[in-house]
Amino acid sequence: SQTIHQWPATLVQPVGSPLSLECTVEGTSNPNLYWYRQAAGRGLQLLFYSVGIGQISSEVPQNLSASRPQDRQFILSSKKLLLSDSGFYLCAWSLSSSGGYTFGSGTRLTVV
Amino acid sequence: DAKTTQPPSMDCAEGRAANLPCNHSTISGNEYVYWYRQIHSQGPQYIIHGLKNNETNEMASLIITEDRKSSTLILPHATLRDTAVYYCIVFMNYGGATNKLIFGTGTLLAVQP
Repeated sequence: SQTIHQWPATLVQPVGSPLSLECTVEGTSNPNLYWYRQAAGRGLQLLFYSVGIGQISSEVPQNLSASRPQDRQFILSSKKLLLSDSGFYLCAWSLSSSGGYTFGSGTRLTVV
Repeated sequence: DAKTTQPPSMDCAEGRAANLPCNHSTISGNEYVYWYRQIHSQGPQYIIHGLKNNETNEMASLIITEDRKSSTLILPHATLRDTAVYYCIVFMNYGGATNKLIFGTGTLLAVQP
């Protein structure tokens, strides 16, 4: 069966520090991968998606970047965190062209 | 662009059926209706989806009107654990690599004891 792992579950980082959040999927090949963010009291915003290794599309301009170094690994990064980067970050995967997404358990990031 | 309209909140008594409406009047012929829910501090969970026929699974039933302009998600016997934000989303399966799931604001369902 397919599983998705995200870590860490919670993170407190100072302003200006770097960020690296990792997401891995097991039990499937060539998944579509997604990063979403949910700010406090707000809706889910799609940040990045990837349909293959090295292929990243950004949905909104921001202080973050994403990479996909391996088929089932998706990384969210920042060189210098801002207070506004605080939020609940969710990774998800889907089979190509399907609306059935499976989400990870999320990382709650607080920038202080 | 919001492709669906949902009430911001609803209450339901425990053990009763919860009927969550969704309007999608501009849905195109090859777009499906998907429902997800998000329990507080968790990732969204897929519930059900359909094109034009009514669908049922172990979690819920989906009723889509004949003109496909609206649908209703039915939780037959709501429990306290069903308290969550429920999202109705239209999505084109096989729509290509650029097709993404876009969440609106959803309906906060509060199941009351």
